[in-house]
Amino acid sequence: NAGVTQTPKFQVLKTGQSMTLQCAQDMNHEYMSWYRQDPGMGLRLIHYSVGAGITDQGEVPNGYNVSRSTTEDFPLRLLSAAPSQTSVYFCASRYTGNTEAFFGQGTRLTVV
Amino acid sequence: QQQVKQSPQSLIVQKGGIPIINCAYENTAFDYFPWYQQFPGKGPALLIAIRPDVSEKKEGRFTISFNKSAKQFSLHIMDSQPGDSATYFCAASMPGGYNKLIFGAGTRLAVHP
Repeated sequence: NAGVTQTPKFQVLKTGQSMTLQCAQDMNHEYMSWYRQDPGMGLRLIHYSVGAGITDQGEVPNGYNVSRSTTEDFPLRLLSAAPSQTSVYFCASRYTGNTEAFFGQGTRLTVV
Repeated sequence: QQQVKQSPQSLIVQKGGIPIINCAYENTAFDYFPWYQQFPGKGPALLIAIRPDVSEKKEGRFTISFNKSAKQFSLHIMDSQPGDSATYFCAASMPGGYNKLIFGAGTRLAVHP
């Protein structure tokens, strides 16, 4: 049982480059979300999805795009990376309702 | 807008001590309050959760105390161990089907032997 899998674990980008952070879950969870973790800021919600084809913005969505074509996958796209996007990114999934959220191991992104 | 305020930012205790981490929330519509534990290099994992119809919940050495009138809740770790050294996050969520978890800023706990 893999749970929530994120790739890559580490990435260095130059300002202006684009990339996609991958997230996959094998628990058939309807709800998936992306957070960024910065020192002293906790976990801030970027985007979330309540099912295939349905996405919505979280607290800090600017500079990020998402799509949800399948239940399993929820990629996060950075179209033009900026140094302010240097952070650790976590993908999480859970069943509908207030149930346990399962997090991936994280992707540490550095934008230079 | 920080809807869940967590304190302290960091905490150091000796083995066997009882660290207490506090959180306060603003939105009275929140009805689910989990605590997550995160070890370095790992994703957060659910530790314990409470709903506002209960004033206290215990799971092993971990206890949540909940004060609905004060809009505050706290995590107590009894007989703390060096293995409890981690970052702890409180969170809150609204009722219903598809609800966002709003996290506090986190508390870095160090338990010294």
